[in-house]
Amino acid sequence: GAVVSQHPSWVICKSGTSVKIECRSLDFQATTMFWYRQFPKQSLMLMATSNEGSKATYEQGVEKDKFLINHASLTLSTLTVTSAHPEDSSFYICSAENSRLSYNEQFFGPGTRLTVL
Amino acid sequence: GENVEQHPSTLSVQEGDSAVIKCTYSDSASNYFPWYKQELGKRPQLIIDIRSNVGEKKDQRIAVTLNKTAKHFSLHITETQPEDSAVYFCAASTGNQFYFGTGTSLTVIP
Repeated sequence: GAVVSQHPSWVICKSGTSVKIECRSLDFQATTMFWYRQFPKQSLMLMATSNEGSKATYEQGVEKDKFLINHASLTLSTLTVTSAHPEDSSFYICSAENSRLSYNEQFFGPGTRLTVL
Repeated sequence: GENVEQHPSTLSVQEGDSAVIKCTYSDSASNYFPWYKQELGKRPQLIIDIRSNVGEKKDQRIAVTLNKTAKHFSLHITETQPEDSAVYFCAASTGNQFYFGTGTSLTVIP
């Protein structure tokens, strides 16, 4: 199989604090992971592409210093929302690519709901 | 970057009828086109995908067609059932990035 987990599933924080979200591929190695943001009843917006051992590639309009991405191992990528504000409240979903199974196929995590008060 | 448009945004069909969702893309370098089904509060689930070297792919009641020249691809669901009700997203990828369509909320009326 190809299972991707995310932690936490839901986090509530005060404005100005930082929140770290973890994305793990449980039974495969993922050289590439993607981070998305999804607002209610809207589509998934690609935020950045995370490559193991190198800097993430951010999409236009996504602040690198605000959304810190670290892909330190082949099974873990983290997204840190720094100095969170209410407008950062959203559903964050990661996905991982297992090139050994099927080229390009994405396996999604269950998502993390971030609520900033 | 890639621009993926999806239509319609909402679709209601009677149980047993067919449903068609269409997407267009802008980047001719895109070569992988997956379709996802997302139920409320859950992660997207891949239901079918197609690569640029194929024009059509079918899996039971679900089929996808791709027209590379026109840069559009479509999802066809036949004999719809109430459990098909969900939001469906198309996506286009060059292999380095994934760009999603805006989604179609499908309601199958029993």
